[in-house]
Amino acid sequence: DSGVTQTPKHLITATGQRVTLRCSPRSGDLSVYWYQQSLDQGLQFLIQYYNGEERAKGNILERFSAQQFPDLHSELNLSSLELGDSALYFCASSVDRVGDTQYFGPGTRLTVL
Amino acid sequence: AQSVTQPDIHITVSEGASLELRCNYSYGATPYLFWYVQSPGQGLQLLLKYFSGDTLVQGIKGFEAEFKRSQSSFNLRKPSVHWSDAAEYFCARGSNYKLTFGKGTLLTVNP
Repeated sequence: DSGVTQTPKHLITATGQRVTLRCSPRSGDLSVYWYQQSLDQGLQFLIQYYNGEERAKGNILERFSAQQFPDLHSELNLSSLELGDSALYFCASSVDRVGDTQYFGPGTRLTVL
Repeated sequence: AQSVTQPDIHITVSEGASLELRCNYSYGATPYLFWYVQSPGQGLQLLLKYFSGDTLVQGIKGFEAEFKRSQSSFNLRKPSVHWSDAAEYFCARGSNYKLTFGKGTLLTVNP
């Protein structure tokens, strides 16, 4: 158990819909990262938040957004869902030093039908 | 752009045999390198990491990895594989804010 929690574990929805994935970081960690794992793209960095502020963006679509709340939990919002958005979405957290270890949650498996 | 290459998509070994999983990273400043393991339906678990110093790094579950700057490699090794080691293994390179992952190597262990 990494100490990072993600809900829900599974999510099945239809094209065009909007969903919210939730992540609680390890106690004491200020940074939250979101990754997408798909068969064709592998594991890709989406976005990082540090202490409530967006710090870095990766390959995140404009239809996707995230935020980190004062209690440091984070939400990833996916809208206008397409079939290709079906993937495993991971949240990770770290204390936030350069080269710090990122600890991963169990992931949310999103299926878009 | 930084990249990580895992040349072997799938490796099969017999239980008790030795294992080496290959990882190469693109040239750059001193890399922060990681190996993670993902069991079916599970998240990513950190096996070991290299930041600096001793180039031979010990990890959990009897794994070790060796950083070789001259070869831009960070190969993962285990002297004797157990059936429970069957999983997918990911090499990753850390930067200021993200991890860049290789495509992964799926390990199958035969009894």
